[in-house]
Amino acid sequence: AQSVSQHNHHVILSEAASLELGCNYSYGGTVNLFWYVQYPGQHLQLLLKYFSGDPLVKGIKGFEAEFIKSKFSFNLRKPSVQWSDTAEYFCAVNARGNTGKLIFGQGTTLQVKP
Amino acid sequence: NAGVTQTPKFQVLKTGQSMTLQCAQDMNHNSMYWYRQDPGMGLRLIYYSASEGTTDKGEVPNGYNVSRLNKREFSLRLESAAPSQTSVYFCASNPSGTVSEQFFGPGTRLTVL
Repeated sequence: AQSVSQHNHHVILSEAASLELGCNYSYGGTVNLFWYVQYPGQHLQLLLKYFSGDPLVKGIKGFEAEFIKSKFSFNLRKPSVQWSDTAEYFCAVNARGNTGKLIFGQGTTLQVKP
Repeated sequence: NAGVTQTPKFQVLKTGQSMTLQCAQDMNHNSMYWYRQDPGMGLRLIYYSASEGTTDKGEVPNGYNVSRLNKREFSLRLESAAPSQTSVYFCASNPSGTVSEQFFGPGTRLTVL
């Protein structure tokens, strides 16, 4: 069965620190990859996505992620976090041809201290 | 466009009561999904509808039923609520399944006493 693992459950950073959140998935076939963000009290919003092509994808608000196929990883990065980045971050995977069903990781809560 | 809307936003039920969570999208999307979100477990798929007229079970379907009323609406029903169904429920849609991201509604926070 497919699964997605996010290694960091709770991350605390100071403003201007760099961020990297890990995401690994288990599936041998072709996948689509996503990072969603949930700000406090809000619904999930798409940060970025990878379907094909350049494995380094850029999303909104200065976030980027790199797909490393050999490591089954899709880590999220941001060079300098802001207090407004405080949120929960979810990695999700969709196996191609699987009617769009998403498998989510457990989520990482990011707290940025001003 | 309102996107994906859900009603109600909050609900408290007693064990054994029934209720229906409503979801509608105005983006002409074919596929719709119901997820539940529990602390430390991310989102888990309950049921989905790949297209109007079809529904299929997801990862955690027990205790739930769904209806794809038309292309816009996809409802989730709890026939006999249990405390284990206390959760936040999200509806989502996407245009065609495999080649696009999903768009999420604001969620329904359900408490079963």
